[in-house]
Amino acid sequence: DAGVIQSPRHEVTEMGQEVTLRCKPISGHNSLFWYRQTMMRGLELLIYFNNNVPIDDSGMPEDRFSAKMPNASFSTLKIQPSEPRDSAVYFCASSLYQRGGETQYFGPGTRLLVL
Amino acid sequence: DAKTTQPPSMDCAEGRAANLPCNHSTISGNEYWYRQIHSQGPQYIIHGLKNNETNEMASLIITEDRKSSTLILPHATLRDTAVYYCIVRVHNTDKLIFGTGTRLQVFP
Repeated sequence: DAGVIQSPRHEVTEMGQEVTLRCKPISGHNSLFWYRQTMMRGLELLIYFNNNVPIDDSGMPEDRFSAKMPNASFSTLKIQPSEPRDSAVYFCASSLYQRGGETQYFGPGTRLLVL
Repeated sequence: DAKTTQPPSMDCAEGRAANLPCNHSTISGNEYWYRQIHSQGPQYIIHGLKNNETNEMASLIITEDRKSSTLILPHATLRDTAVYYCIVRVHNTDKLIFGTGTRLQVFP
């Protein structure tokens, strides 16, 4: 099992540029989660999907952030335009949703630096 | 929403048991433990609801009133140095709320 795959692993960009982060969940999983981690705020949930449908996006910081899940094996998190305060590690996680209480498995993360 | 309280840091000698405590404000669903080594993605350790649980990584002891728990690493190694998170699920959702965790340092 390859686990959750994220790309790129590192991204350095300039303020104002568009950034797209990608995630491939574990095959067969039907829930997908995007998290952001910073020293100041710790690990925060941004948005999650069940069966490709966004369920809760209350953690998305503002309209510059958007997430999509066009199919069960792929999701993107886009920041447009990016700002220096968006610098963080972004994690994707997936789980097999059944009746609630399922274990989430995390990817290795994407380290984003916005200059 | 349910909230957990953990000590910010703990030390443990290699080969000894590491006992990491967690207190809950309210809890209705499963309690989960994850750990994060350096800046890697959080790694699932164990979860439980009412009964004590054990797997190849750790044991989880939950008090009868479910207001506190202890994660036990029976024979800590240097590779167990990490931040350990005790998490409860937000009621009726799939959301896990990560706190600040306990930074466990295992020393030789």
